[in-house]
Amino acid sequence: AQRVTQPEKLLSVFKGAPVELKCNYSYSGSPELFWYVQYSRQRLQLLLRHISRESIKGFTADLNKGETSFHLKKPFAQEEDSAMYYCALIPNSGYSTLTFGKGTMLLVSP
Amino acid sequence: DTGVSQNPRHKITKRGQNVTFRCDPISEHNRLYWYRQTLGQGPEFLTYFQNEAQLEKSRLLSDRFSAERPKGSFSTLEIQRTEQGDSAMYLCASSLVGRSYNEQFFGPGTRLTVL
Repeated sequence: AQRVTQPEKLLSVFKGAPVELKCNYSYSGSPELFWYVQYSRQRLQLLLRHISRESIKGFTADLNKGETSFHLKKPFAQEEDSAMYYCALIPNSGYSTLTFGKGTMLLVSP
Repeated sequence: DTGVSQNPRHKITKRGQNVTFRCDPISEHNRLYWYRQTLGQGPEFLTYFQNEAQLEKSRLLSDRFSAERPKGSFSTLEIQRTEQGDSAMYLCASSLVGRSYNEQFFGPGTRLTVL
């Protein structure tokens, strides 16, 4: 069965510092990888997905199949980035349900 | 608000009681998902529907849980004979097959507390 691991429960940085939220997965095939974000008192929402190779709110994530990782990065953190971040995967394009990691809380201090 | 809605937002019940939650997906979405999230965990898949057909159920969905989507629109999740271990946030999501890589849009959740 597939599994998503986010090793850090909490990541605390100062405004302007670089951020990297780690995500590793275990799955033998070619999964689709996603990052979801939940801001305080808001619902879970999609931040970005590896297929679209886009940058959202300054965040990027590269799928590394050799290391089975999908780390989320931002060069300069902002206070408004403080939120809960979840890495998730869908095993393949014909499958539909998401497997989430436990999440990492990002706190950006002024 | 045209997003996914869930009712009630909070439910407190006594052990052994039955509870029912409702999810209204985004109107044109044909897939609807239920997830459960406990403290310190990410959401865990429970079940999903395509239109009115329930296509998959997780092993987490015990016999006390039942979900329906009778007309392919809203869905209900019922838990019978609730246990304290059922206390969690129950999340609903919807998506449109073939659109935007099947992006799932989540509702605000129903928080269940079993006393």
